[in-house]
Amino acid sequence: SQQGEEDPQALSIQEGENATMNCSYKTSINNLQWYRQNSGRGLVHLILIRSNEREKHSGRLRVTLDTSKKSSSLLITASRAADTASYFCATGGGDKLIFGTGTRLQVFP
Amino acid sequence: KAGVTQTPRYLIKTRGQQVTLSCSPISGHRSVSWYQQTPGQGLQFLFEYFSETQRNKGNFPGRFSGRQFSNSRSEMNVSTLELGDSALYLCASRDSSGANVLTFGAGSRLTVL
Repeated sequence: SQQGEEDPQALSIQEGENATMNCSYKTSINNLQWYRQNSGRGLVHLILIRSNEREKHSGRLRVTLDTSKKSSSLLITASRAADTASYFCATGGGDKLIFGTGTRLQVFP
Repeated sequence: KAGVTQTPRYLIKTRGQQVTLSCSPISGHRSVSWYQQTPGQGLQFLFEYFSETQRNKGNFPGRFSGRQFSNSRSEMNVSTLELGDSALYLCASRDSSGANVLTFGAGSRLTVL
């Protein structure tokens, strides 16, 4: 079963624009993570935000978390063609992560 | 530091056969987990091993099994393959002392004909 639902399912933007994707989850969490997956490859961890944090930054990434709404958003600023990938939110403890449905981001040069 | 290594990267099997996939975690990582990724079901947790013990199992039939060796390398096996088992199988390892951040391998792409 998937804990998170992400929207949009797909997003196409031009280089230099910002990309925002959203994740909603169902149960209470200790933390929420975002991963990126290039086509047909493994996932790469991007950022983890704890339940007592509201916002976190890492380079061009900004993640927000609203536990009252059970939602999170990932903002990629000044997108590059290399950001083209699928992005997944994930919740859960230990090694049993439950992933969202993913957002496919296409950045056109 | 070498990453998570999965072999084989690609394989084709026919219905009814069985398959074994291998995963070598990052050196020092004792926790290994497996995920199945399909277009229809997305990323689904299969099982997790720590120090040769299965600690957690997802909602998959008994045809899916795994094990972990004393060097933390892990294998998963799928018996009596079905067409629906076609998927990307991802292995991930974790440093148990830290947060539950997973490092994934590149995956094994299984096609069942």
